[in-house]
Amino acid sequence: DSGVTQTPKHLITATGQRVTLRCSPRSGDLSVYWYQQSLDQGLQFLIQYYNGEERAKGNILERFSAQQFPDLHSELNLSSLELGDSALYFCASSVGRRRAKSETQYFGPGTRLLVL
Amino acid sequence: AQKITQTQPGMFVQEKEAVTLDCTYDTSDQSYGLFWYKQPSSGEMIFLIYQGSYDEQNATEGRYSLNFQKARKSANLVISASQLGDSAMYFCASYGGSQGNLIFGKGTKLSVKP
Repeated sequence: DSGVTQTPKHLITATGQRVTLRCSPRSGDLSVYWYQQSLDQGLQFLIQYYNGEERAKGNILERFSAQQFPDLHSELNLSSLELGDSALYFCASSVGRRRAKSETQYFGPGTRLLVL
Repeated sequence: AQKITQTQPGMFVQEKEAVTLDCTYDTSDQSYGLFWYKQPSSGEMIFLIYQGSYDEQNATEGRYSLNFQKARKSANLVISASQLGDSAMYFCASYGGSQGNLIFGKGTKLSVKP
């Protein structure tokens, strides 16, 4: 158990819908990262938050948005869903020292999204 | 690292034998780290081991060790005494560019045969 929790574990929805994925980081971690894992794209970085503020943005679509709340949990919102958004979405957390390239990111169990 | 390469899509190993999973990386940074994660069929990503570019010794963590060759830019994972539960996807990763996110290789699927 990494200490990172994600809900829900599974999500089935229809095209055009909107969903919210939730993540709680490990106790004491200030940085939260969102990744998308699909068969064709592999693991792709979406976005990072540090202590409530957006720190870095990756290949995140405009239809997707995220935020980190004062209690440090984070939510990833996916809207106008398309079939191609079906993937495993991971949240990871780390301590969050600025620009530390040695910080281990601990991953949650992921949310498996299926868009029908 | 700007790019992580794992050239072995799949590997087989006999139970109780050792196996090496390859990882090469491309970076212009002087200070960097390499991470290995395991992803069983259940889907979670489990952190296994970390190697810093300035670490003098190769990292070890139980049955996992890293064969780190800085000049060759390789950080191969060695799993000793393979167990059936080691069957999984294994990903090598490092921080990329200035974004502070991990860049992952495509992974190696390890199958342990009884």
